[in-house]
Amino acid sequence: GQNIDQPTEMTATEGAIVQINCTYQTSGFNGLFWYQQHAGEAPTFLSYNVLDGLEEKGRFSSFLSRSKGYSYLLLKELQMKDSASYLCAVINSNYQLIWGAGTKLIIKP
Amino acid sequence: IAGITQAPTSQILAAGRRMTLRCTQDMRHNAMYWYRQDLGLGLRLIHYSNTAGTTGKGEVPDGYSVSRANTDDFPLTLASAVPSQTSVYFCASSEASGSLSEQFFGPGTRLTVL
Repeated sequence: GQNIDQPTEMTATEGAIVQINCTYQTSGFNGLFWYQQHAGEAPTFLSYNVLDGLEEKGRFSSFLSRSKGYSYLLLKELQMKDSASYLCAVINSNYQLIWGAGTKLIIKP
Repeated sequence: IAGITQAPTSQILAAGRRMTLRCTQDMRHNAMYWYRQDLGLGLRLIHYSNTAGTTGKGEVPDGYSVSRANTDDFPLTLASAVPSQTSVYFCASSEASGSLSEQFFGPGTRLTVL
């Protein structure tokens, strides 16, 4: 089967750094997305990784290791508005997008 | 304003009724998708369309049908609604097919089937 694993929920403090992990077992790999979804809203694109390594975009960075089937999203200088769910999704060899259930991130003052 | 719209925003529906959820995009994207999102589960693909005139089945297509008569519109029809179809439905579009490009999501339709 195909599976994306993420922690269900994480809590962090405003101003701190948090790392959200995603491990995947899929039939092939053609890229990995991270999306942000605020409660009651639609998902919005954060990042895309297809090669190993770190992609940095402002306060957010995403890392990929294809050999380990592993990615993480790193959020720095956390703000209250970062409270949201973070969705990991993998493109498999059939170009299907497989979604994780998402990690709910709670930011405390 | 460019983007993707869905209607209705929410709907309460009696079981057995027919319902069409509407989705329109003005970005001239080739590919469009319908997902359902249930608590504790990831987004699950219902149907997709790689280009106008073609459609395909996703992970959970049973009980749903779609059409893609033109580039902009991608309606989702529940022929005879059942309570297990209670969910939040998201329509999405992407410039390229095959899931290789960023997907843009509509605001969602919250559907309750009683």
